[in-house]
Amino acid sequence: KAGVTQTPRYLIKTRGQQVTLSCSPISGHRSVSWYQQTPGQGLQFLFEYFSETQRNKGNFPGRFSGRQFSNSRSEMNVSTLELGDSALYLCASSLTTPNTEAFFGQGTRLTVV
Amino acid sequence: GEDVEQSLFLSVREGDSSVINCTYTDSSSTYLYWYKQEPGAGLQLLTYIFSNMDMKQDQRLTVLLNKKDKHLSLRIADTQTGDSAIYFCAEIGNNNNDMRFGAGTRLTVKP
Repeated sequence: KAGVTQTPRYLIKTRGQQVTLSCSPISGHRSVSWYQQTPGQGLQFLFEYFSETQRNKGNFPGRFSGRQFSNSRSEMNVSTLELGDSALYLCASSLTTPNTEAFFGQGTRLTVV
Repeated sequence: GEDVEQSLFLSVREGDSSVINCTYTDSSSTYLYWYKQEPGAGLQLLTYIFSNMDMKQDQRLTVLLNKKDKHLSLRIADTQTGDSAIYFCAEIGNNNNDMRFGAGTRLTVKP
């Protein structure tokens, strides 16, 4: 059974640009959550999707958005990139809710220069 | 807001037991987790415990939960150099879908 796949693994962008990250959950999993990991703030929740609907959203500005497709794959988008957006972005996949077992991908490391 | 706290560093000798501690404040927490993160990698789910349990054992790992004190611990028996990593404690409540993480404990295992 394939794990959670995040693409790309590494990304370098310039301030002001926008970026789209992708997450393919484990087959059969319908819940996808996104987290930002930085040395200063640790792991912070961005949003969670289930059946193409955003169920929960963390405390991030509107520049951060996401969506989920009918096959449960999810994308997150960050517009007008700032230096502080440099982070490891992690995606977690769960069957229905993150309450039981949430499996994380390897992450996408975004560097904004 | 609710917090999850862990000590930042732990150093043990190979073969010893490691105990990583975590405290949380949200009394509605229903699931508590331990994740392991190695350099350059994502989070690996080690184990989780439901809030109505007080202990869970899985091979070398033992999780103890004191719900009254909101204290969670992870014991790793016979710690190996391959256990060197950052260990994150996390919790989730019954009415939300976002996991709250501690800052992580960096475990260093010395030969």
